Amino acid sequence: KAGVTQTPRYLIKTRGQQVTLSCSPISGHRSVSWYQQTPGQGLQFLFEYFSETQRNKGNFPGRFSGRQFSNSRSEMNVSTLELGDSALYLCASSRTGTAKETQYFGPGTRLLVL
Amino acid sequence: GENVEQHPSTLSVQEGDSAVIKCTYSDSASNYFPWYKQELGKRPQLIIDIRSNVGEKKDQRIAVTLNKTAKHFSLHITETQPEDSAVYFCAAISYSGYSTLTFGKGTMLLVSP
Repeated sequence: KAGVTQTPRYLIKTRGQQVTLSCSPISGHRSVSWYQQTPGQGLQFLFEYFSETQRNKGNFPGRFSGRQFSNSRSEMNVSTLELGDSALYLCASSRTGTAKETQYFGPGTRLLVL
Repeated sequence: GENVEQHPSTLSVQEGDSAVIKCTYSDSASNYFPWYKQELGKRPQLIIDIRSNVGEKKDQRIAVTLNKTAKHFSLHITETQPEDSAVYFCAAISYSGYSTLTFGKGTMLLVSP
């Protein structure tokens, strides 16, 4: 069974631009969560989607948004990029997203904002 | 919300020694505690997890213990090998949470041959 995939793997953007990242979950998994990983803050939860609905959201500004499609693929968008948005963005999938389910991570998209 | 503290931030051991990483959590409703290993440039991978109705779980050289009263859990790696070198993250998820893992800041484990 193929694992979680993310595209692109690397991105370089400049301040003020916007970016869209994509995540394809494991086949049969309907829950997709997004995390931001930085050296200073570690892994922080952004949001979680299930059946095209955002069920949970972390403490990030409104510039961070996402969506999920009917095939469970998910995208996240960051508008008006800031230098501090440079990070590794990871998505993780699980079957239904309920507590106690294992989450499987994708390889991440490394975003550099100049 | 949940808050997870992880110690130490770095840990250096000699090959064959044991390594222990400790985490505390704040939400008494948390009931699932996974541990992830992240090698340099790679994705986090689940190595072991424990549910709140269990006090200890072991998988070969890796074990996790949970003390619900004190709200802390620990990862124990015995007979460490150089390939154990990585960043280890603990996490917690509460019963009411939907896939919302709250992570500790991570422990960089370095195993020297």
